[in-house]
Amino acid sequence: LAKTTQPISMDSYEGQEVNITCSHNNIATNDYITWYQQFPSQGPRFIIQGYKTKVTNEVASLFIPADRKSSTLSLPRVSLSDTAVYYCLVGEGGYSTLTFGKGTMLLVSP
Amino acid sequence: GAGVSQTPSNKVTEKGKYVELRCDPISGHTALYWYRQSLGQGPEFLIYFQGTGAADDSGLPNDRFFAVRPEGSVSTLKIQRTERGDSAVYLCASRSGTSDEQYFGPGTRLTVT
Repeated sequence: LAKTTQPISMDSYEGQEVNITCSHNNIATNDYITWYQQFPSQGPRFIIQGYKTKVTNEVASLFIPADRKSSTLSLPRVSLSDTAVYYCLVGEGGYSTLTFGKGTMLLVSP
Repeated sequence: GAGVSQTPSNKVTEKGKYVELRCDPISGHTALYWYRQSLGQGPEFLIYFQGTGAADDSGLPNDRFFAVRPEGSVSTLKIQRTERGDSAVYLCASRSGTSDEQYFGPGTRLTVT
């Protein structure tokens, strides 16, 4: 399984755009990149998934360069409620299990 | 609709005791996963069910841990002779056959004293 590296923590203020970058140098051809969000005392929640280029949904955007060795989760205009841990995962998708790292703790301040 | 539910939400037990943790997946989801999360760590995979059978149990740490899903819906994670190191939040997730997204429950916080 491809290993991922992401910052341990990030700080931001309300209304700012936040970009969290994840490195996955050993990503395989069949691997997808998936991001999950976890609030305290809750299970993780799916945010977005992509294979290459750019994916956007109502919550976030995911940018993946051509070599796919990294990816960036972009959260537009964060609010206090976006304070959470964000996990970058790489895997084949489908029924494969998820391998979580320690994630990035995002703290949004007023 | 209803999400994944887990019971109990909290469980405190003494070292050496037996515990059962229950997971009710989203109706119709064929895949069910168990994970364990320690403080400050990401969830760690334990076992995956496809229907009634365990498709992958490579994450179970030892033979004290066992899980069942007899009718392909509700699952029970069973831990025998609990140890203090088993203390963690146990998360369950389910997945439909048409999406990669796993839906997680709120978890059961297990404390072994």
